Amino acid sequence: GQQVMQIPQYQHVQEGEDFTTYCNSSTTLSNIQWYKQRPGGHPVFLIQLVKSGEVKKQKRLTFQFGEAKKNSSLHITATQTTDVGTYFCAGQGGSNYKLTFGKGTLLTVNP
Amino acid sequence: SAVISQKPSRDICQRGTSLTIQCQVDSQVTMMFWYRQQPGQSLTLIATANQGSEATYESGFVIDKFPISRPNLTFSTLTVSNMSPEDSSIYLCSVEFNSYEQYFGPGTRLTVT
Repeated sequence: GQQVMQIPQYQHVQEGEDFTTYCNSSTTLSNIQWYKQRPGGHPVFLIQLVKSGEVKKQKRLTFQFGEAKKNSSLHITATQTTDVGTYFCAGQGGSNYKLTFGKGTLLTVNP
Repeated sequence: SAVISQKPSRDICQRGTSLTIQCQVDSQVTMMFWYRQQPGQSLTLIATANQGSEATYESGFVIDKFPISRPNLTFSTLTVSNMSPEDSSIYLCSVEFNSYEQYFGPGTRLTVT
């Protein structure tokens, strides 16, 4: 079945440093989504990428979808303490509506 | 978007008993999902619940253990049956909007002793 790998598992940064998490799928995806889960909270939808090579930005967050539609990344520029949480990628393949989640990257930010 | 509520928010249960978790959405939705999340872990899909049809279970999850009801387009329940400590987890319902975005409920934290 479809597997989605995500690295790193943990990342600790100083406030103001950049952060990147990477996601890789075992199969070609129809789209990939990114979610953020604050400590003690539930996952919150951030964005969906659909097109090969797509790049989308949300303020300090930049999301990329690979040319082969098998990998993706989330980059945060100049992290802030409000960025703390676990970032999950989740892939959908073909006509299957099921989302397969990566294991997530826990980001902690030292003020 | 959608506002999703879950009941109970948390519970401590004895092994061998069952717990029914409720999920209520403030608007009508076609697809509802039930996930399990171990503390600090990723989300695992248990089943998809569509109104008017049997729930579709993922590998490793069976109807006898996790019966699901979906009586209408705004409500669903998940029952965790004959619980064991291995069932201790956070259970989340979610709904799909705009054909892809998933909105999650606040979760139910279950501890089985």
